[in-house]
Amino acid sequence: AQSVTQLGSHVSVSEGALVLLRCNYSSSVPPYLFWYVQYPNQGLQLLLKYTTGATLVKGINGFEAEFKKSETSFHLTKPSAHMSDAAEYFCAVRSSGDKLTFGTGTRLAVRP
Amino acid sequence: NAGVTQTPKFQVLKTGQSMTLQCAQDMNHEYMSWYRQDPGMGLRLIHYSVGAGITDQGEVPNGYNVSRSTTEDFPLRLLSAAPSQTSVYFCASSWGQLNTEAFFGQGTRLTVV
Repeated sequence: AQSVTQLGSHVSVSEGALVLLRCNYSSSVPPYLFWYVQYPNQGLQLLLKYTTGATLVKGINGFEAEFKKSETSFHLTKPSAHMSDAAEYFCAVRSSGDKLTFGTGTRLAVRP
Repeated sequence: NAGVTQTPKFQVLKTGQSMTLQCAQDMNHEYMSWYRQDPGMGLRLIHYSVGAGITDQGEVPNGYNVSRSTTEDFPLRLLSAAPSQTSVYFCASSWGQLNTEAFFGQGTRLTVV
């Protein structure tokens, strides 16, 4: 069985501040991990993914995430928030078949 | 490339009505899935397909039917709509490998009154 927990359904940061969105996973086998972003009234767009190899993964729009097996975490970060980063972010895990299991999402607000 | 195309974008149904949400992809992906998105619950898997003629249930399959007669299309049928099915529905497709990402359509916002 696999699952994802995203801590914090709402996160608010000031423009230029660090963005940290938390994701912890549970999987009985080595997982593949994904972060997606959803802008208002749109579908989901891939930000980045971890498969194997380097544990620090860089994605689009300046985001990155670090896979920490010992902590079962895959937190998403961005050094400096921009107004255009305001969106909902979903962490997801896939460890068998095509079943992509999502967390409940974190809505990011960016204050001017 | 069109990617994953969902129709309609918006729909209002009366309780008890039936309808089909359409999903088509032009990337020759083997895997296709339907999710529903509800506030505070993320995306939950309704049904999925690993290839033409093969479908299986996800986490919340009750009240929905699917079939996959071609690689490109994966329609979702609501048999008798209920207010609990008010949601935003997303179709997704991907290659078969575990390390590949899913591509999503723009969603269908369904309201059942």
